[in-house]
Amino acid sequence: NAGVTQTPKFQVLKTGQSMTLQCAQDMNHNSMYWYRQDPGMGLRLIYYSASEGTTDKGEVPNGYNVSRLNKREFSLRLESAAPSQTSVYFCASSEAGVLDTQYFGPGTRLTVL
Amino acid sequence: EDQVTQSPEALRLQEGESSSLNCSYTVSGLRGLFWYRQDPGKGPEFLFTLYSAGEEKEKERLKATLTKKESFLHITAPKPEDSATYLCAVRTNYGGSQGNLIFGKGTKLSVKP
Repeated sequence: NAGVTQTPKFQVLKTGQSMTLQCAQDMNHNSMYWYRQDPGMGLRLIYYSASEGTTDKGEVPNGYNVSRLNKREFSLRLESAAPSQTSVYFCASSEAGVLDTQYFGPGTRLTVL
Repeated sequence: EDQVTQSPEALRLQEGESSSLNCSYTVSGLRGLFWYRQDPGKGPEFLFTLYSAGEEKEKERLKATLTKKESFLHITAPKPEDSATYLCAVRTNYGGSQGNLIFGKGTKLSVKP
């Protein structure tokens, strides 16, 4: 099993450009999450999907949209990137719901110029 | 406000020199405390979950303990390969949604041979 995979690994955008970060898991997990990690700060939740067909905002959702494409895939979209969105983005998944242990992907390092 | 504080921010040890990392928390009803290990450029790797005061879990040279206000990650006779950032997270209620994690900023551990 690959676990949680993310693409791309690195990305550089110009202010105002859009892009979608992709995440997939092969563990048959129900819940999926998007976090961002910035220097000197803890991981912060952007959006999550408790189960297929549902999505909810986390702590820092502004400037982002998500799509739970199916049980395996959960994408994060930046419609108009801003320098403040420069960060490392992690996707995670958990088995039976938001109360279970979360397993993380390798991350996407995004720079917005 | 729910909060997680990790100390120290950085810790340098000699190989074989045992020590402890601290995670203190203030939450309105703990529903699980998690320890993760994060290597540079990689996603967090799950280590332990603790649910109630007095609970302990061990894995190789690592032992996690939990009280009503804090958790300790004890590292016995560390090796250079234990060098990493150790993250603590607590599960609580956030924004009306149950089960989201709040992360501390981490402790960066360096073990010199």
